Amino acid sequence: SSELTQDPAVSVALGQTVRITCQGDRFRYDYASWYQQRPGQAPVLILFGNNKRPAGISDRFSGSRSGNSAFLTITGTQADDEADYYCNCRDSSGNRWTFGGGTHLTVL
Amino acid sequence: EERLEESGGGVVPPGGSLTISCEGVGFSFSFYAVSWVRQAPGKGLEWVSTVNDGGDTHYGDSTKGRFTVSRDTSRNTLYLQMNGLTLEDTAMYFCAKTRSSWPNDFFGPWGPGTPVTVSS
Repeated sequence: SSELTQDPAVSVALGQTVRITCQGDRFRYDYASWYQQRPGQAPVLILFGNNKRPAGISDRFSGSRSGNSAFLTITGTQADDEADYYCNCRDSSGNRWTFGGGTHLTVL
Repeated sequence: EERLEESGGGVVPPGGSLTISCEGVGFSFSFYAVSWVRQAPGKGLEWVSTVNDGGDTHYGDSTKGRFTVSRDTSRNTLYLQMNGLTLEDTAMYFCAKTRSSWPNDFFGPWGPGTPVTVSS
């Protein structure tokens, strides 16, 4: 299956660590890319490959995978981390892409 | 600095057609894939289509047969021709530079998007 499943909403206390999960069979073989989207803005790439961050992305963001799941971990969560987070990967053909349904992160 | 900017969005009646554009700056469409991704109001991201560096095109299931993606490398511009539009095609349409190099696949950077509204 090429479907990716995310929890619709997660909350975390300011300064704490939160892990966002993305489930999909593809993660037994592939890595997720992760995107942050704030309201009214375009998505921004925050992680790709084996825990790689683009230039300018804080090292508070990290990625991992285990079994059929990929994980985005945010440490020392800040107020402006409150956003929607999407996972993504290519399917087995390599020519089609799938996004998870997104997780809304609330910082308490 | 690499950036993209979409244009051409608007209001279209059901069954109508519209072509939107995406201009890239700071990199060449001849050497990189570029994709369309859309987001319906209040919903998540949906991959629509990709043109790879060689010009091959690929489509998602919901738009295949109705949408056609093309590019003009001399203008560094990507197009999405949308036919037979339905209410379910109402969305913000983003274009994004696409890296398809396993295991480092990703979309980025993204343009700000152009809105398409299908309404009678």
